[in-house]
Amino acid sequence: EIVLTQSPGTLSLSPGERATLSCRASQSVITYLAWYQQKPGQAPRLLIYDASNRATGIPARFSGSGSGTDFTLTISSLEPEDFAVYYCQQRHYWPLTFGGGTKVEIK
Amino acid sequence: EVQLVESGGGLVQPGGSLRLSCAASGFSFSSYAMTWVRQAPGKGLEWVSSVSDTGISAYYADSVKGRFTISRDNSKNTLYLQMNSLRAEDTAIYYCAKGVLAVAGTFVDYWGQGTLVTVSS
Repeated sequence: EIVLTQSPGTLSLSPGERATLSCRASQSVITYLAWYQQKPGQAPRLLIYDASNRATGIPARFSGSGSGTDFTLTISSLEPEDFAVYYCQQRHYWPLTFGGGTKVEIK
Repeated sequence: EVQLVESGGGLVQPGGSLRLSCAASGFSFSSYAMTWVRQAPGKGLEWVSSVSDTGISAYYADSVKGRFTISRDNSKNTLYLQMNSLRAEDTAIYYCAKGVLAVAGTFVDYWGQGTLVTVSS
């Protein structure tokens, strides 16, 4: 099973700051990695798929990069609505797996 | 507008069974894979099962293999999850989600609001 390790566990930042979230895979998943955002009491939302492709309707301040085992989600300038939990997911191997999540909280 | 509406959750005793349903609308249901993802209270996301567009290919997490069965009825635009031999650790919100592609090994781009399954005596 591919283990996805997300860091940091919690990121404390202020609106307008840049957020950099990491996801490391235990084996190469090439670029078959996605990022989701989840707010309290809501279902997750797809942000980025195949490492760097923004999903429909996702603002340009969200960007994804990486390949192999190391991936990054960057939020260029945090908006108030961006404070949430972010999960990465791989689809290169069965079983599909999610990372443990990174919480982005208001500092 | 894509809509996914789950139903069938509730309280069940350990060892019991439940069948979850997910009614889909707003897209060509038979053209996309579908997935179930669960989230235990206060915990992260866990992939449970996925099925291809035709229903021929299905995959399961090890934690549910042999106990859960995913299926779909493309004539009714409905996805199902039959859950047998339920355990306390199956307690979670179960989300139905639409695949980006037709193949089962795909990411998901739309999610339902989830249905809560509680396994307790």
